[in-house]
Amino acid sequence: DTEVTQTPKHLVMGMTNKKSLKCEQHMGHRAMYWYKQKAKKPPELMFVYSYEKLSINESVPSRFSPECPNSSLLNLHLHALQPEDSALYLCASSQVWSTASNEKLFFGSGTQLSVL
Amino acid sequence: LAKTTQPISMDSYEGQEVNITCSHNNIATNDYITWYQQFPSQGPRFIIQGYKTKVTNEVASLFIPADRKSSTLSLPRVSLSDTAVYYCLVGTRNSGNTPLVFGKGTRLSVIA
Repeated sequence: DTEVTQTPKHLVMGMTNKKSLKCEQHMGHRAMYWYKQKAKKPPELMFVYSYEKLSINESVPSRFSPECPNSSLLNLHLHALQPEDSALYLCASSQVWSTASNEKLFFGSGTQLSVL
Repeated sequence: LAKTTQPISMDSYEGQEVNITCSHNNIATNDYITWYQQFPSQGPRFIIQGYKTKVTNEVASLFIPADRKSSTLSLPRVSLSDTAVYYCLVGTRNSGNTPLVFGKGTRLSVIA
């Protein structure tokens, strides 16, 4: 199984809603990532988890709250989002996150989020 | 952080070989060069990775000169389904740097 599964595929939410994005992998990877991608732009790194611990937060606003309940699951909790947060949210995993630079990321298909 | 520079876009006819060059003048000694492909509304997909000289797999070839300041992704005999954005990534793990940062990528359009 070389898949990263993201749910839901599409999400529409109001600015006062609370929602969660989910990501799952069963490749035994111990590093998981959240990226945000606006239309016709490259993916932007948001968070990195290594061995279920938050390793990197790229100065993401607190209305985005990541959670890694176990080595296979990664969640992104959303609250009080703004319309400019509308984007494709991508989850990825890799075997580890280390000082080596030959990481290969496996991406899910993403959640297309629209904030009204 | 090793910054990468790629052409913004390229056009090609079906059946032609396409070469996309990435410049990474500040590549560090231990850095690998990794290429990803991304179709619309999908996550990027790993294509190929190399450290020096030439690497080939069933999808593409990667050519890296001795100075490693650039690399070229070669796609043989492209088809319409190769229309995508191609990203070149070079990792640098100095303190405080994030592991994998995507540059602007090259938008390849394959024409029938």
